[in-house]
Amino acid sequence: GENVEQHPSTLSVQEGDSAVIKCTYSDSASNYFPWYKQELGKRPQLIIDIRSNVGEKKDQRIAVTLNKTAKHFSLHITETQPEDSAVYFCAASYSGNQFYFGTGTSLTVIP
Amino acid sequence: GAVVSQHPSWVICKSGTSVKIECRSLDFQATTMFWYRQFPKQSLMLMATSNEGSKATYEQGVEKDKFLINHASLTLSTLTVTSAHPEDSSFYICSARDTSSGNTIYFGEGSWLTVV
Repeated sequence: GENVEQHPSTLSVQEGDSAVIKCTYSDSASNYFPWYKQELGKRPQLIIDIRSNVGEKKDQRIAVTLNKTAKHFSLHITETQPEDSAVYFCAASYSGNQFYFGTGTSLTVIP
Repeated sequence: GAVVSQHPSWVICKSGTSVKIECRSLDFQATTMFWYRQFPKQSLMLMATSNEGSKATYEQGVEKDKFLINHASLTLSTLTVTSAHPEDSSFYICSARDTSSGNTIYFGEGSWLTVV
């Protein structure tokens, strides 16, 4: 099955700086890569996603890049704010079927 | 957007008893739902894929007799943790796929299970 690795596990940045979280996946058939933000005890919230026919996608301060050849994708958050502090998960899926999640990154934005 | 509801949000049960968690798609039909388990400060682990009208597909290492999944209608899937033990205490979360909106996945609110 699919194996998704995520780094780093924890990340602290100063408010206003950028944060980058990286994921790799193993199954070349995976073609859908969402990113989720999760607060403790709550459901994951989709923040951005990318499909394999696209190399980059941006939504305001959030962007995701995908390198299909290397099988890795990254989340970029610019101008970070304290409310960005949360746990972020990447996931890989084939056509929106089973999602296989990365191990998570706990992001802390220091005011 | 579409809503997926889970019930109960919190449940405490005694060791040896069984607990049922419901996952409902409130405004769309979901032929496929997914069940995940999440331990504190860990990732979401896919347990099984629930298919309406057929048997669930379990991930490797997940005991199907322990975690019974029933998907009897297009809007409801249930997860029953049988003969629960303290090590089954966890956050259980479901998701449902809305095929009418490009296979968008919606997550339920999650259910905290504590076995004492």
